[in-house]
Order: sequence, then structure tokens, then C-alpha cells
Amino acid sequence: SQTIHQWPATLVQPVGSPLSLECTVEGTSNPNLYWYRQAAGRGLQLLFYSVGIGQISSEVPQNLSASRPQDRQFILSSKKLLLSDSGFYLCAWSVWEVGETQYFGPGTRLLVL
Amino acid sequence: QKEVEQDPGPLSVPEGAIVSLNCTYSNSAFQYFMWYRQYSRKGPELLMYTYSSGNKEDGRFTAQVDKSSKYISLFIRDSQPSDSATYLCAMSDGNSGGSNYKLTFGKGTLLTVNP
Repeated sequence: SQTIHQWPATLVQPVGSPLSLECTVEGTSNPNLYWYRQAAGRGLQLLFYSVGIGQISSEVPQNLSASRPQDRQFILSSKKLLLSDSGFYLCAWSVWEVGETQYFGPGTRLLVL
Repeated sequence: QKEVEQDPGPLSVPEGAIVSLNCTYSNSAFQYFMWYRQYSRKGPELLMYTYSSGNKEDGRFTAQVDKSSKYISLFIRDSQPSDSATYLCAMSDGNSGGSNYKLTFGKGTLLTVNP
């Protein structure tokens, strides 16, 4: 069966510090991968998605970036965090054969102070 | 008009009640419909998945899709305190042949089932 991991689970960072969140998927090959941010009362905001190694599509202009160095690894980064980057970050994967259904990881709660 | 509308609630019901959760949408190309359940401080988990119109039942949960009205519902029978969570609807046009791999989500309805 497929499993998705995210770490860390919780992170408190000062404004201006760098960020690296990691997501890995097990039990599937060539998944589509997604990064979302969920802020209170604002729903899920798609940040990036990737259909293959090195292929990243950005949905929202911001100071975040994403990379996919391996088939089942997706990384969310920032060089300098802003207060507005605080939120709950979710990684998800999908496979076309199951009709776009996405499966989410446990999330990383980021607080920027 | 937003692409997907979902009443945020909160919705509070007694244990054993039948719960109805709903979403409306504007994009007639949507054909894949999902319901996710999200417990506090956890990632969303897939609850129900339907393709096109009709009903799908899984235990105490029933998902309904009415494409003519652009309206989807999730019914929970014999609701339990463990059903207390935020429920998110999501949908897609399934156009992965192009560049669209995205789901469109509702903002979620917060449900509390009181013992």
C-alpha cells in the first residue's frame, strides 16, 4: 500500500530564516505530487505541483519554491520566511489511473515569528 | 461566483442524527467528485469518490452527485462523535491529458456530533 510522509510535523522559525520541508511517497511510481497551504478559514491553496522529476508548476507567485530531485521526493523551500508564510503545509500525491484522487500526508504546521 | 461553494458551518448535531453536507459548483466540466474528512491538525483523508452522476454508499456514508443541478451531497447516517471533523468536497474535470491535474476544493464544513 502507498504511504506518504512529511517532516517535520511542527516547525517554529523566525522571520527571515530559510525553510525546507520534505515529503516522500512510498509504494507507487511516477506519482503526481502537490504542495498545499491551509490557512484558517481560507481552505486549501495549491502552491506547486509536479508531474515528474525536475518538473515543477507554480500556482501562486510567492517567496516559496519547490523541487523534485527524485521520483517520490518533493521539497518545499524558502530562502527568507515571511510572517504570512505561517500555516499548515500539506503534501499530496495522485495517480491518473484513479481519476485524479489525491492522497494527503499528515502535514507540517509552520509558525513564523 | 466561486467555482465551488460549501457552507462552512459550524454544524452541530446530536449523536445518531442524519447529517447532510453539501457543495455547489459552477464548472459543468467537473466529472470526478470527492469528499475528504479532516480531523483537527491532521491531513485530509479520502472518504468517498464518485464519477459522474448518481449515488455511492459506503457503510454509514452516502455520496450523491446531481450534475444537472451542479450539486453534490454527503449523507452520514447514525452519526457518531468520532465523525466530528471538517468535511471538504473536491472535484476535477479529469483532464490530465493536458496540464490540468488539479482538484478544486470547497472550504470545508466543520461538523460536531455531540454525545
